[in-house]
Amino acid sequence: EVQLVESGGGLVQPGRSLRLSCTASGFTFGDSAMSWFRQPPGRGLEWVGFIRSKAYGGTTEYAASVKGRFTISRDDSKSIAYLQMNGLKTEDTAVYYCGTGYYWITYWGQGTLVTVSS
Amino acid sequence: DIVMTQSPDSLAVSLGERATIICKSSQSVLYSSNNKNYLAWYQQKPGQPPKLLINWASTRESGVPDRFSGSGSGTDFTLTISSLQAEDVAVYYCQQYYSTPSTFGQGTKLEIK
Repeated sequence: EVQLVESGGGLVQPGRSLRLSCTASGFTFGDSAMSWFRQPPGRGLEWVGFIRSKAYGGTTEYAASVKGRFTISRDDSKSIAYLQMNGLKTEDTAVYYCGTGYYWITYWGQGTLVTVSS
Repeated sequence: DIVMTQSPDSLAVSLGERATIICKSSQSVLYSSNNKNYLAWYQQKPGQPPKLLINWASTRESGVPDRFSGSGSGTDFTLTISSLQAEDVAVYYCQQYYSTPSTFGQGTKLEIK
């Protein structure tokens, strides 16, 4: 059974940093691209970015709204994808989801809430 | 960026009746080399992550009831629920994965009339 578990969310002040983790199981993590999405409270879904598998260079792509502030990485030995978020803004407040793949997303985590507020 | 626009924003349908949700993209998401539409549909219930229903505009995901169907090509797409069940109450999103950034429609809230 595929499982994705996000962790690391919480309350953080504007300008500070936070790192989210997405721990995966039930599939060959190293063969999979991994994506991050977010959903502000009561609003729609927004793509944040993704990281390709090492076989495809392990390269990343980001939404314009987070480029230069957020970094996606992966540790295939631990089956974990990371979302490093720097320079957080109040508008980054959202539930953050990880998912498998970078086209459609078949498997999603349950999400972790990030609240950026002073 | 490709803008995805859904209509209506909300929809109330009687149990057993048909529900139809429209999704329009600001440019074609049909890739000519493989004749595939790079469009997916998701269902999201409160407090839950999205659930994939359909990819390639019309391919139903394994385990999704056959009352859900997707159609359309190019810039105009439709999600149809042929006979609404109580458990179908949710918000529905379309997503294009034709180009980066992948973008979603604003969502359509489906309720029981």
